[in-house]
Amino acid sequence: QVQLEQSGPGLVEPSQTLSLTCAISGDSVSSNSGAWNWIRQSPSRGLEWLGRTYYKSKWYHHYAVSVKSRITINPDTSKNQFSLQLNSVTPEDTAVYYCVRGGEWGLGWYFDLWGRGTLVTVSS
Amino acid sequence: QSVLTQPPSVSGAPGQRVTISCTGSTSNIGANYDVHWYQQLPGTAPKLLIYGNSNRPSGVPDRFSGSKSGTSASLAITGLQAEDEADYYCQSYDNSLTGYVFGTGTKVTVL
Repeated sequence: QVQLEQSGPGLVEPSQTLSLTCAISGDSVSSNSGAWNWIRQSPSRGLEWLGRTYYKSKWYHHYAVSVKSRITINPDTSKNQFSLQLNSVTPEDTAVYYCVRGGEWGLGWYFDLWGRGTLVTVSS
Repeated sequence: QSVLTQPPSVSGAPGQRVTISCTGSTSNIGANYDVHWYQQLPGTAPKLLIYGNSNRPSGVPDRFSGSKSGTSASLAITGLQAEDEADYYCQSYDNSLTGYVFGTGTKVTVL
């Protein structure tokens, strides 16, 4: 059974860096058939895809235009996990953050396995 | 922020059929990108309900069905049950934004 276990602080100060980690069990971050995503949800912005990393003979990274200048998603093959770093956060970044596995289908990908979510509040 | 539009709410009595629309544009659904649907029960993460416009993952009841036409897609729930009360979201890819996009979400209420 594949599981995603999220960890990281629930409170981040404005202008600081938000850092979350997602540990994978039952699958591999280096799998050729999956992509590892971060998605957030807030009342004001709804569900928002932030970015992903995946391996198909080499590592790929793909980020949403809205956060592209501030985001890094990295795989850690030694620990079978992946991480999110979001720099220069503001209160607008307050949301529930999910790590999510993506599956490829035709034109586009779907999201078939979600972590439990981490509420991150940006506040001083 | 959401580029896929859904009705805020739909409701129906137990046993009835309800449908949820998902309206996009020529840069997402209309560009032939597949549509996927998710169910989110209160206090939980979204769960994949329909993938590739009309396919159900293992374990999803056949009361749920999806379709797509032009720049829109629909989710139908037949034989509505109390446990279907949840928020539902559509999702696709947008080639203008070069990223994955979600619908605004629809709350289903069982009367």
